[in-house]
Amino acid sequence: QVVLTQSPSASASLGASVKLTCTLSSGHSTYTIAWHQQQPEKGPRYLMKLDSDGSHSKGDGIPDRFSGSSSGAERYLTISSLQSEDEADYYCQTWGTGMRVFGGGTKLTVL
Amino acid sequence: EVQLVESGGGLIQPGGSLRLSCAASGFTVTNYYMSWVRQAPGKGLEWVSVIYGGGSTYYADSVKGRFTISRDNSKNTLSLQMNSLRAEDTAMYYCVKERPSDPGYFDFWGQGALVTVSS
Repeated sequence: QVVLTQSPSASASLGASVKLTCTLSSGHSTYTIAWHQQQPEKGPRYLMKLDSDGSHSKGDGIPDRFSGSSSGAERYLTISSLQSEDEADYYCQTWGTGMRVFGGGTKLTVL
Repeated sequence: EVQLVESGGGLIQPGGSLRLSCAASGFTVTNYYMSWVRQAPGKGLEWVSVIYGGGSTYYADSVKGRFTISRDNSKNTLSLQMNSLRAEDTAMYYCVKERPSDPGYFDFWGQGALVTVSS
């Protein structure tokens, strides 16, 4: 079954850019994923669906500062012009037959 | 406007039962794949169960045989019946809608209902 791997933490300065990574397990490099954001003390929010070719479709109201890209088994979420409200946990997610799978999440700290 | 509002959470003793409900508005539950996802305190997201548009249901191994997902077409609600509850079931439970064009990907989350299993 597919496994998603994320670094536990990342940090970047206010106004800078950051690139978060989600790695698909061996044999699953063509999978599409979704990115979700969870701000402190809030429920998750859908950011975008990201295909293996890098094409992505964002949720309603998601700023242009959020973009996605892909390379092989890696799926990336890039956040530019970081703002304080971007400090959150970010989860990648995909699915298999009769199941849905999450990565462990990356906690982003905005310095 | 799409909305998902969970209810039914609370404090329950180990071995007890609880039923969560999720009231949907802005769309018809039966036309979409719908999931329950939970998050234990301080932990990541864990998928619990899904119900397909056609009615097929699937469960995570951790809850199989104890939890039952269902929907009420007349009330446009999603439910999760939780039996034989354990301390490790303590979590915030989220009702989640999946993308209509390509189910399997969540595109809208409820605000969550807290379930605490403790004596």
